[in-house]
Amino acid sequence: AQRVTQPEKLLSVFKGAPVELKCNYSYSGSPELFWYVQYSRQRLQLLLRHISRESIKGFTADLNKGETSFHLKKPFAQEEDSAMYYCALRISNYQLIWGAGTKLIIKP
Amino acid sequence: DTEVTQTPKHLVMGMTNKKSLKCEQHMGHRAMYWYKQKAKKPPELMFVYSYEKLSINESVPSRFSPECPNSSLLNLHLHALQPEDSALYLCASSQGGNSNQPQHFGDGTRLSIL
Repeated sequence: AQRVTQPEKLLSVFKGAPVELKCNYSYSGSPELFWYVQYSRQRLQLLLRHISRESIKGFTADLNKGETSFHLKKPFAQEEDSAMYYCALRISNYQLIWGAGTKLIIKP
Repeated sequence: DTEVTQTPKHLVMGMTNKKSLKCEQHMGHRAMYWYKQKAKKPPELMFVYSYEKLSINESVPSRFSPECPNSSLLNLHLHALQPEDSALYLCASSQGGNSNQPQHFGDGTRLSIL
């Protein structure tokens, strides 16, 4: 079955602490994974894709095919990181399977 | 221009009204999408247009009718909606075809059905 699992609905950490948002997937093909972020009252925007292997706003994510994971990490959280984060798996040219999302709250 | 623009931002309508949501992009993308998003939930795909042809309809009720007049525009015509159709409606676009480029989203239209 094709599935994306984000086990945490809510993650709350203090400013300056490390952050890890978990994403696990189930897919028989070669996975293509994305992290999207939705700040309060703003549009859903692409944060990272595993193909590009870049760091955006201090976030990184590594595809681990052995553990079927694509966890999002940041070493030092900032208050402006508070948002809703979605992990997504591309299953066709046009279709994504979305995780349920994790709401990240950064406490001052 | 690297944006997907949606109008209106907010829409309140009665169950007997007819209205349309509009979406525009000028990035040369050939795939355009409509999604429905309920609060604190991920977006749910409704329709995909590829090269101006409807290629995916995710079993959406006929009270939602998409239209793609040209490669830059996408409309969603609404008629006889139900209260449960109240949601944020997102438009997205991507390069299309076999490109592995990501989808770009608009701000959405927040729809309330009275």
